[in-house]
Amino acid sequence: KNQVEQSPQSLIILEGKNCTLQCNYTVSPFSNLRWYKQDTGRGPVSLTIMTFSENTKSNGRYTATLDADTKQSSLHITASQLSDSASYICVVAGASGGSYIPTFGRGTSLIVHP
Amino acid sequence: GAGVSQSPSNKVTEKGKDVELRCDPISGHTALYWYRQRLGQGLEFLIYFQGNSAPDKSGLPSDRFSAERTGESVSTLTIQRTQQEDSAVYLCASSRNSFDTQYFGPGTRLTVL
Repeated sequence: KNQVEQSPQSLIILEGKNCTLQCNYTVSPFSNLRWYKQDTGRGPVSLTIMTFSENTKSNGRYTATLDADTKQSSLHITASQLSDSASYICVVAGASGGSYIPTFGRGTSLIVHP
Repeated sequence: GAGVSQSPSNKVTEKGKDVELRCDPISGHTALYWYRQRLGQGLEFLIYFQGNSAPDKSGLPSDRFSAERTGESVSTLTIQRTQQEDSAVYLCASSRNSFDTQYFGPGTRLTVL
């Protein structure tokens, strides 16, 4: 069964500090992995997308890594800001019979305190 | 350009009633997805449309749920005989193709009393 596990479930940090969120998956066959940011009451917004051959991808203060061998990904947030407070969702896309069905993690809830 | 829009933004209904939720995808996006997100839970895939191909309905939780999409335009998600456990935020997303980034709408918050 395809699964995406994220850790920690929640995280509280002080403004300006760095943090790393983890994502482990068992989706097969693997197509790509995305990290989304979901603000409270809003739909998710894409941060990064990585395919099998990519190890790292950055988007401003967000850097995602992917180890396709161990099926692990991380999202590193540098110099956190209050606006980073949100849920961060790891989404892994497989491919089955030509149909694209993404598997979502439950998300990590990040709270940045001043 | 305009993003994905959904209507209504909030819907309160009584148990047993039917509801219809609407999604307007980004123009030109061939792929459209419906998801359900219960309070404090992750997104749960419901159904996927790709162009004129038959939809992938593997995520629909029961036969009370159905969805339609005409071509590459508007989609409607219908829930018949609603139950309290149907209460959730229903999110729609569209993408240019199956493997491109999905753009999400703001969701419809459904409350079944």
